[in-house]
Amino acid sequence: NAGVTQTPKFRVLKTGQSMTLLCAQDMNHEYMYWYRQDPGMGLRLIHYSVGEGTTAKGEVPDGYNVSRLKKQNFLLGLESAAPSQTSVYFCASSSRGTYQPQHFGDGTRLSIL
Amino acid sequence: DAKTTQPPSMDCAEGRAANLPCNHSTISGNEYVYWYRQIHSQGPQYIIHGLKNNETNEMASLIITEDRKSSTLILPHATLRDTAVYYCIVRPLDTGRRALTFGSGTRLQVQP
Repeated sequence: NAGVTQTPKFRVLKTGQSMTLLCAQDMNHEYMYWYRQDPGMGLRLIHYSVGEGTTAKGEVPDGYNVSRLKKQNFLLGLESAAPSQTSVYFCASSSRGTYQPQHFGDGTRLSIL
Repeated sequence: DAKTTQPPSMDCAEGRAANLPCNHSTISGNEYVYWYRQIHSQGPQYIIHGLKNNETNEMASLIITEDRKSSTLILPHATLRDTAVYYCIVRPLDTGRRALTFGSGTRLQVQP
């Protein structure tokens, strides 16, 4: 069971570069989420999606874009990377239903120089 | 979402039960109690959730007080692999944001 898979696992970027983080889930979940976690802090929601073709902003959306063209994939894009975006990025997914738990990937560690 | 209070750290001997407390005195009637944990360098892992009745699954037991103002997560036989940060999260049925709010959690260290 793969669950939630994130690629890449590590990446180093230069300021101003762009990149896309990929999240794939094989559990047929309707909802998907992107969080970031900074050292010593809890997770903060960047964007989320409640279904294919639908996305919404979370707590810290600035500087990021997302797309959900297929139900199983949720992409997070950094348009012009900044050092403040150095973080660990986690993707999660859950079934429809408001008490369903979220299942997380193992994260992408991103450093912006 | 209701605020939760957890001790910052706890130790437990391997093979013994680990009892992790959480205070959520402002919880409202439609809010569930969730527990997640995060092992170093991994993504958070769902453990268990409950509304007002005690719950048990293959990982843990959740005891919620009758007034629902506090709860305890019980790992019945802690192993070294249970060393992690444990998060107690109170979440209503529909936040509209569908986000999980992770506080500081309790860092559980299981000692050999």
